[in-house]
Amino acid sequence: QVHLVQSGSEVKKPGASVKVSCKASGYSFTSYGITWVRQAPGQGLEWMGWISVYNGNTKYAQNVQGRVSLTTDISTSSVHLELRSLGSDDSAVYYCARVFGDFAKVDYWGQGTLVTVSS
Amino acid sequence: DIVLTQSPDSLAVSLGERATINCKSSQSVLSRFYNKSSLAWYQQKPGQPPKLLIYWASIRESGVPDRFSGSGSGTEFTLTINSLQAEDVAVYYCQQYYNTPSLTFGGGTKVEIK
Repeated sequence: QVHLVQSGSEVKKPGASVKVSCKASGYSFTSYGITWVRQAPGQGLEWMGWISVYNGNTKYAQNVQGRVSLTTDISTSSVHLELRSLGSDDSAVYYCARVFGDFAKVDYWGQGTLVTVSS
Repeated sequence: DIVLTQSPDSLAVSLGERATINCKSSQSVLSRFYNKSSLAWYQQKPGQPPKLLIYWASIRESGVPDRFSGSGSGTEFTLTINSLQAEDVAVYYCQQYYNTPSLTFGGGTKVEIK
């Protein structure tokens, strides 16, 4: 059974960094990529970035480029998202999700991690 | 960047009736390689992550009830929910994967019971 389990909620001050983890189980970890999507309170879905677990290639959304990093840890079947220089508009629920090669199916999602940026 | 515009923003439908949601893309998302439109539909209920309903514009994901159907090609797409059930109350999003690995979502359509 496929599961993506994310780390718990975070509260950060403006200017700080946050690291959110996504631990996968139930499938061949290196056969799929992981994409990250965030959702501000009451708002829609915003794509943030993607990482190929197979070779570590990444692609980031333009509006967070330079502040975001995605990394993998094959030994723990985990993907980590780090977002730096946090502002209030980074307050959102962050989701990781599994995606196959053709990107047609983003089929399994983590439960979401709430990140609150507040002074 | 590809922009997806959904309409309406919200709609209220009586139980057992049909709900129709539209998604218009700013450019064609027809993949020449796959000869299919790179568009998916998701359902999101409060407090939950999105759930994949439809991919390649019209292919229903395994386990999704057949009252959900997708249609369209190129730039114009429709998600139809036939015989709306109470459990279908949710926000629905279209999403393109033409410019992979970048993804884009529509603004969402909230479906409620009339």
